[in-house]
Amino acid sequence: GQNIDQPTEMTATEGAIVQINCTYQTSGFNGLFWYQQHAGEAPTFLSYNVLDGLEEKGRFSSFLSRSKGYSYLLLKELQMKDSASYLCAAMDSNYQLIWGAGTKLIIKP
Amino acid sequence: GAVVSQHPSRVICKSGTSVKIECRSLDFQATTMFWYRQFPKQSLMLMATSNEGSKATYEQGVEKDKFLINHASLTLSTLTVTSAHPEDSSFYICSARTLSREGYNEQFFGPGTRLTVL
Repeated sequence: GQNIDQPTEMTATEGAIVQINCTYQTSGFNGLFWYQQHAGEAPTFLSYNVLDGLEEKGRFSSFLSRSKGYSYLLLKELQMKDSASYLCAAMDSNYQLIWGAGTKLIIKP
Repeated sequence: GAVVSQHPSRVICKSGTSVKIECRSLDFQATTMFWYRQFPKQSLMLMATSNEGSKATYEQGVEKDKFLINHASLTLSTLTVTSAHPEDSSFYICSARTLSREGYNEQFFGPGTRLTVL
């Protein structure tokens, strides 16, 4: 079956770095997406990886290892506004997104 | 960037009435649109995949006669919740798929519709 696993909740301190891990099992693979979702709002796109390696975009970076079925989202210089849920989603062979349950990130001052 | 609008953003209705939610891709054409439902503190649940000009494909457990989907054009899809009941109260989110500049399939989300059925 198809499955995405990510931690339910993480806590970090303002100004610090946090890494949110995601493992996936899908029928075929057409990329790994990370979305940010604030409470009461729709998800917004953060990153896309289809090749192995690290993609850096400002304070956010995303890593993919296809052989391990593993990705992580790295957030640097954490700000209070980064408090949100972070959704990992893998695109299968039918170009359908398979969603994780999301990781709620709590930032403390 | 690609923008998806959704209307209304919030709706409160009485039990037994029907509610229509519109989803529009504003600056691109979307051959495929998706409808999701999200309950509090839970992840997105795909309800159906909608292709322009054809019948929607519903996920297991989603009643197609209750959740009517119409994808009349490349920029508009509608979800009608018929005979709504309190258990249908949820956050409904649409998304539209398009090809990014980099050449991969990307989904853009509408802002969501908060439905409350009294």
